[in-house]
Amino acid sequence: RKEVEQDPGPFNVPEGATVAFNCTYSNSASQSFFWYRQDCRKEPKLLMSVYSSGNEDGRFTAQLNRASQYISLLIRDSKLSDSATYLCVVNAPTSYDKVIFGPGTSLSVIP
Amino acid sequence: GAVVSQHPSRVICKSGTSVKIECRSLDFQATTMFWYRQFPKQSLMLMATSNEGSKATYEQGVEKDKFLINHASLTLSTLTVTSAHPEDSSFYICSAKRQGHGYTFGSGTRLTVV
Repeated sequence: RKEVEQDPGPFNVPEGATVAFNCTYSNSASQSFFWYRQDCRKEPKLLMSVYSSGNEDGRFTAQLNRASQYISLLIRDSKLSDSATYLCVVNAPTSYDKVIFGPGTSLSVIP
Repeated sequence: GAVVSQHPSRVICKSGTSVKIECRSLDFQATTMFWYRQFPKQSLMLMATSNEGSKATYEQGVEKDKFLINHASLTLSTLTVTSAHPEDSSFYICSAKRQGHGYTFGSGTRLTVV
């Protein structure tokens, strides 16, 4: 089993739609979780950290379920500019500073 | 804050030559930096962890003699791809973690070996 797995995608949604991405991680000792977005041929950029109680930033909501080792990202009212690859990132338990990237889920928001 | 500068952004080199990529933390000190490689339509794969003043820690399957990492100061880490081959063509990205800012990435280096 891969350390971090994500929905394979791609997701093609119309503007204004709500879309949810799922991510699972294999090591229950992981403590830090993030969602990054990566535009084509660019470096990843932090979208949001994921906290145990769940957190929201504008149209974006992240949830964490430690028992199921599951992380989600919900995007409401999709914009064309949301088109990107979304990367689920989890810290490696043996090394606090090292993180593992999921394979990413591609999103295309269509006019 | 938490800016990481990486250069060159793009390099084309001949097979058999070496290429050096630099990664600088501009407004903070980074005792640890990370080097990743990303092939088309794949995710980032950690190659090695660069530690200031000591040897880098390489991930399994990454040849340390081929990918030389030097982290001589708190703001600079370099990755040298030695004796490059076409299969080394990839997108190389560095990152550093700053407290309160998560992981910040350099803009990446697209290496093409011909």
